[in-house]
Parts: sequence; C-alpha cells; structure tokens
Amino acid sequence: DAGVIQSPRHEVTEMGQEVTLRCKPISGHDYLFWYRQTMMRGLELLIYFNNNVPIDDSGMPEDRFSAKMPNASFSTLKIQPSEPRDSAVYFCASGTQGMNQPQHFGDGTRLSIL
Amino acid sequence: SQQGEEDPQALSIQEGENATMNCSYKTSINNLQWYRQNSGRGLVHLILIRSNEREKHSGRLRVTLDTSKKSSSLLITASRAADTASYFCASGGSGAGSYQLTFGKGTKLSVIP
Repeated sequence: DAGVIQSPRHEVTEMGQEVTLRCKPISGHDYLFWYRQTMMRGLELLIYFNNNVPIDDSGMPEDRFSAKMPNASFSTLKIQPSEPRDSAVYFCASGTQGMNQPQHFGDGTRLSIL
Repeated sequence: SQQGEEDPQALSIQEGENATMNCSYKTSINNLQWYRQNSGRGLVHLILIRSNEREKHSGRLRVTLDTSKKSSSLLITASRAADTASYFCASGGSGAGSYQLTFGKGTKLSVIP
C-alpha cells in the first residue's frame, strides 16, 4: 500500500512568495495532521483534520498559515507571504480513528525561504 | 509545546551493544508511542504502550512505562548499524483532544559498525 505522499520534497523560494505544500493521506484514514520540525523547537503540531474538518488549528503560528482539506485524499498547507523563519521541514501524517492508533508520516517537505 | 523530553539527546554505541533511551512527560496519558526517524525521512511508528501496561516487547525492542513517574524507556537490544536514527517518544493525552500526540525532541542514536 502507498504511504502518505507529500509534494514537493524540497522547496526553495524567496521571502514574500506564496508557498503551497501538498499531502495525500493513506486511503481510509480519517485523521490528517500537519507538523513542522525545526532543530530549535522539535516537532510541532500545526493543525489536524478529522473527516476533512479542521479540529484544532491552535498550533498554526500566524494568519499567514492556512490549511485546507477539500476531500479525503488531499490536503494543502499554504504560507502567504512566506518569511525566512518559516524555513523548516513540514510533515503530513494520517491515521485512523481511535486513541490507540499510530500515525503514519510522509517524508516531508524541506522548505527554505531566502 | 513539547511535553515529552528524551534523555540522552545523543547516544553513540558499538554494534551489538544495547541502547537505552528515556522519555519523560508531564500530563496524564492514554498511551505512549515511540517513533524512529532516519535522516531525511519521515517518522516511522515502532511501538505503542497503553497507560495500563507496564512493559511491551516487539522484536529487539522493549518499552517500559511508569505512569507514577511519568516516564518511559526504550531498549534496543543487540544494536545494528541500521538502527542509527533519531528516536522520539510521543504521548497521547487522555480526555478531549486525546488523539493528538505530543512529541519530544528525540534521541540521536549512532551505532558504530
């Protein structure tokens, strides 16, 4: 079975540009999570969805960040405008309902804002 | 905020030795999970231990959980060079929002051939 698929794997762009990260969760999974990983702060949960509905976006750092899940097989994380401090690795993960279920991670998007 | 804290931050051992990593957390949990991350890759789930369990085994992995001390440990026996990776604990909270996981900052394990 295909795992969580993220694109692009790497993104380098200039400050002020719009950045869109994409995620395809594992088929049948009804939870989707967006994380950000940096050396300083570790792995931070930004937002998560259940059945395509955003449940908790309290980890989204600023209004410059937005996330959507238009259907069960696709989600986007958008940063507009981007800033150098947004440079990080962004992970998408999916899982099934239930408190004792593992999360399945994609390989991430390494984002560099110049 | 990061709830889990792994100890040590980095660990270097010879192939064949055992590796022990520890994790502490701050609030009540429903379960605690361990993940591995190879360089440049996503996290991979290794093992989950429920709050009412004290020990769990999976192959060369042994996890313990002490809810009274709010701590867990991961033991990798007979380590191999392929075990070189970062290891993260993640606590699953109880109550509302319990499906969220809170990750520690990880232990970087280097296994020298």
